[in-house]
Amino acid sequence: DIVMTQSPDSLTVSLGEKATINCKSTQSVLYYSNNKSYLAWYQQKPGQPPKLLIYWASTRESGVPDRFSGSGSGTDFTLTISSLQAEDVAVYYCQQYYSPPFTFGPGTKVDVK
Amino acid sequence: QVQLQESGPGLVKPSETLSLTCTVSGYSISSGYYWGWLRQPPGRGLEWIGSFYLSGNTYYNPSLKSRVTISVDTSKNQFSLRLSSVTAADTAVYYCARPRGDDNMHDPFEIWGRGTMVTVSS
Repeated sequence: DIVMTQSPDSLTVSLGEKATINCKSTQSVLYYSNNKSYLAWYQQKPGQPPKLLIYWASTRESGVPDRFSGSGSGTDFTLTISSLQAEDVAVYYCQQYYSPPFTFGPGTKVDVK
Repeated sequence: QVQLQESGPGLVKPSETLSLTCTVSGYSISSGYYWGWLRQPPGRGLEWIGSFYLSGNTYYNPSLKSRVTISVDTSKNQFSLRLSSVTAADTAVYYCARPRGDDNMHDPFEIWGRGTMVTVSS
């Protein structure tokens, strides 16, 4: 199985400041034939299902604010919230969909300072 | 607008079988997509249980494979999850979900049900 790790476990950021979450996979999730990394980011608020934010490591889902961006390739990835808003308080998960069993990171909790 | 809704017993006894149904509205299961089940123990992360395509392709998480069955009822536009020999470790919110791509299992989950809490306890 591909194991996903995230850092930090939690972070507290002031409104308007940048939040950065890292995700690593134990093996590459880059498919060389299409040069795409099979990596997604989700946001989950209490009592709600996860919401897809980013796929192919850096493609923003329709309707997701552009303050959310994803980067990285292979085994190392980053989710950046460029200017944290109050509604961004949530737990964020990365997920690899390269190889079943599809696996998720343990999550990073983002709070407002 | 595609919507998914999970239903089933909220309490299951240890060693018994957990059975849940996902009802899909706004889209016919027969038209495509790999449909999936996932779960999330209280206060913990997400686990993929398995996915199926109507053509018969079904994939299960090896950690659960011996206990899991996913089936479909196209007449009701529903698909179901059965998990046998449950223990307290199977206590979780169970979600059904649909990925972005309509014929590719290798896609993130875009549409989710609201989830249903299942507690395993005597």
